[in-house]
Amino acid sequence: EAEVAQSPRYKITEKSQAVAFWCDPISGHATLYWYRQILGQGPELLVQFQDESVVDDSQLPKDRFSAERLKGVDSTLKIQPAELGDSAMYLCASMRVAGTGELFFGEGSRLTVL
Amino acid sequence: AQSVTQLGSHVSVSEGALVLLRCNYSSSVPPYLFWYVQYPNQGLQLLLKYTTGATLVKGINGFEAEFKKSETSFHLTKPSAHMSDAAEYFCAVSERGNQGGKLIFGQGTELSVKP
Repeated sequence: EAEVAQSPRYKITEKSQAVAFWCDPISGHATLYWYRQILGQGPELLVQFQDESVVDDSQLPKDRFSAERLKGVDSTLKIQPAELGDSAMYLCASMRVAGTGELFFGEGSRLTVL
Repeated sequence: AQSVTQLGSHVSVSEGALVLLRCNYSSSVPPYLFWYVQYPNQGLQLLLKYTTGATLVKGINGFEAEFKKSETSFHLTKPSAHMSDAAEYFCAVSERGNQGGKLIFGQGTELSVKP
């Protein structure tokens, strides 16, 4: 069964360091999302891609976060510099059929900033 | 703007008892509605969804939910809880016809099942 792949699963870093997360969506899924989930809360959208184009990055803290999907397939989310408040689970999801809202999630990357 | 409210951040039931997790939404037009489940340190898995048609929808693991437009609700139920149902449950809404299909999630309800 096809899955959304994410790495690393766990990342511990010190504040002010740079971190990067990688996501490979299900083959053929043109829409890709990065969500951030703070412990005890629901996921919040950071950025949405349609193929290689950014559709919505209104909630992405652009002073320190960046995201790219250069070839419209896999994607990278970067944080530089990391802050204590960035500790969270970073979830990648992809959509099979545009407009249905049915997302397939990866297992997530848990970031701890010390 | 769309929003989702899940009543009760934590629900505890006994094994074999009815599970009821409450979700109310706010949307200017009838949205698509979803329930997702999340086990510790894992991603979210779709339980069920309502897009159109029958308002009572059945999902995986014996869960079902009913869309009630008049009450703007989409409560999740299961007749008999099992220990394996212990997890975090998220209600989510997506704007109908939105090509992006962006999901807005509630804060989640943690379900505990007592033996």
